[in-house]
Amino acid sequence: GQNIDQPTEMTATEGAIVQINCTYQTSGFNGLFWYQQHAGEAPTFLSYNVLDGLEEKGRFSSFLSRSKGYSYLLLKELQMKDSASYLCAVTDTDKLIFGTGTRLQVFP
Amino acid sequence: EAGVTQFPSHSVIEKGQTVTLRCDPISGHDNLYWYRRVMGKEIKFLLHFVKESKQDESGMPNNRFLAERTGGTYSTLKVQPAELEDSGVYFCASSRVVSGNTIYFGEGSWLTVV
Repeated sequence: GQNIDQPTEMTATEGAIVQINCTYQTSGFNGLFWYQQHAGEAPTFLSYNVLDGLEEKGRFSSFLSRSKGYSYLLLKELQMKDSASYLCAVTDTDKLIFGTGTRLQVFP
Repeated sequence: EAGVTQFPSHSVIEKGQTVTLRCDPISGHDNLYWYRRVMGKEIKFLLHFVKESKQDESGMPNNRFLAERTGGTYSTLKVQPAELEDSGVYFCASSRVVSGNTIYFGEGSWLTVV
């Protein structure tokens, strides 16, 4: 079956670093996406990993290990505006398979 | 460049009625997707258009749902007759190519069936 697991909720302090983990078991794999979604808004693309390793983009980095079925999203220098849901999604041929999302709350 | 736009943003209808959701993808994006999120669950794939053709409709729940993309531009998703369990957020997304590229989402159409 298709299964994507990520923590339901996380909290962190402004200025800190937080790591959001995602594990997946899917029948196919064409890459892994991370999206950010603020309440009532569209999911916004953050990163895409198809090869093992770390992809860095500003304050956000994403890591992938295909052999372990594991990814994480690393957010540095947290800001209040980073409070949002973070969605892990695996591409299987033409479709995205989503986890339930991790709701991150950043406190001052 | 305009993003993916969806209409209506919110809709409340009674059980048994019909609702039609519309999606305008980003110009030039041949791939158009419909996804749905019901309360407390993950976003789930419904179907995928390449231009006007249905590439994959394996996620469509049942025959009460009909999606069209005449002319390969905008798409509609009709629910007829609507049931209570159809309530949720319906997201449309588009991309230029199928894989290895960014998929852009609209803000979603919130459907409540009462």
